[in-house]
Amino acid sequence: GNSVTQMEGPVTLSEEAFLTINCTYTATGYPSLFWYVQYPGEGLQLLLKATKADDKGSNKGFEATYRKETTSFHLEKGSVQVSDSAVYFCALLAGGTSYGKLTFGQGTILTVHP
Amino acid sequence: NAGVTQTPKFQVLKTGQSMTLQCAQDMNHNSMYWYRQDPGMGLRLIYYSASEGTTDKGEVPNGYNVSRLNKREFSLRLESAAPSQTSVYFCASSPPTARNQPQHFGDGTRLSIL
Repeated sequence: GNSVTQMEGPVTLSEEAFLTINCTYTATGYPSLFWYVQYPGEGLQLLLKATKADDKGSNKGFEATYRKETTSFHLEKGSVQVSDSAVYFCALLAGGTSYGKLTFGQGTILTVHP
Repeated sequence: NAGVTQTPKFQVLKTGQSMTLQCAQDMNHNSMYWYRQDPGMGLRLIYYSASEGTTDKGEVPNGYNVSRLNKREFSLRLESAAPSQTSVYFCASSPPTARNQPQHFGDGTRLSIL
C-alpha cells in the first residue's frame, strides 16, 4: 500500500535559521506529492505540490523537489520566520486515482523562536 | 468565499451520546472526505464519498456512519460516542480530476468525549 514517512518532531529553530523537514514515500505508479501546513486552530492549507519526477514545488519561500530515485520530497526554507510556526504534513496522491484520496504523513510540529 | 464549512467547531459529549457533525462545501466538488486527527498520527481517513450518492469506508470507519445528503453536504454521525473518539475531525472536498487539485479542508470540529 501507499505510505508517507516524515521526520520525527517537534523541530525548534531560531528565526532566520535554515529548515529541512524530511519526507519519504512508498507508492505504486507515479504519485503526486504535496506539503500541507496547519496553523494553530485552523484546517490544513496546501503549501506546495509536485506532480512528476524532478518537479520543484515552491511557495512563500518554501521549496520541495520530487526525487523519484530516493522516493523523497523534503521541505526546505532558507530563512524561517516566527510566523512559520505550524504543523507540516507531507502527503501523496497515488497515480491513476480518479479522485483525491490522499495519504498523509504523521505531521511535523515546527516552532520558530525570535 | 466560504470553501468548506464545518459545524459545530467545538463539542463535549458524554459516553454513549450521539451526535452528527455537519460539513458543506460551495465549490461544486464531487468528492468529500472525513478525517480524524490525533497527536503523532497525522490524518486518518474515516469515510469518503467519491461522488453524490456513494460512500465508502476509509482507514478507521468503526463507530461512525456518514450521509452524503446532496452534492454540497456530507455528514458524519457518532451513534454511541466513546472516549476513544475524542479527536479533531476534519472535512475536506476535491474536484473530480484531483491529480493536480488536492483537497480543500474545513477548520475542524474539536470533539471531547467524557
